[in-house]
Amino acid sequence: KAGVTQTPRYLIKTRGQQVTLSCSPISGHRSVSWYQQTPGQGLQFLFEYFSETQRNKGNFPGRFSGRQFSNSRSEMNVSTLELGDSALYLCASSVQPDTSGNTIYFGEGSWLTVV
Amino acid sequence: DAKTTQPPSMDCAEGRAANLPCNHSTISGNEYVYWYRQIHSQGPQYIIHGLKNNETNEMASLIITEDRKSSTLILPHATLRDTAVYYCIVPSGGYNKLIFGAGTRLAVHP
Repeated sequence: KAGVTQTPRYLIKTRGQQVTLSCSPISGHRSVSWYQQTPGQGLQFLFEYFSETQRNKGNFPGRFSGRQFSNSRSEMNVSTLELGDSALYLCASSVQPDTSGNTIYFGEGSWLTVV
Repeated sequence: DAKTTQPPSMDCAEGRAANLPCNHSTISGNEYVYWYRQIHSQGPQYIIHGLKNNETNEMASLIITEDRKSSTLILPHATLRDTAVYYCIVPSGGYNKLIFGAGTRLAVHP
């Protein structure tokens, strides 16, 4: 069974550009969440989607957005990139939309470098 | 989320058991304890989770105290590949939202 798949794995963007990252959850998983990891702030929750609806959002500016498609695949977008957006972006998926004994699996992440 | 406290670092000799403690004194009755680990530059890897009873899987054992205020993750025979940052998380409030602290940096040495 394939795990959580994230693409691209590595990318370099210029300040002011935008970027779209993609996540394919484990087959049968309907909840997808996104995290940002930086050396200074650690792993931080961005947002979570279930049934194409954003149900929870972390403390990030509006430049960070996402969506989920009917097949549970998800994308996140960061507009007007800043140097501080350089990070590892992680996607996680689970069968159920809550943590009541539900197992959440992470992908390997997308490394974004903003120059 | 219930706050968790972990030692910042631990050492373990290869082949010995690694016992990683976690304090979660504010945990409520229906909240689970989750453990993940992250090897450098990789995504967090799920290890195990539990509610009240001790749990064991192919990777580790989780021992939760009777009052549920603390737990211990046990890697029975640590190898060099177990060197990683280990996170103890007690999520709450529904949603698949995990709050990661600093974790415990486990170094397994020959």
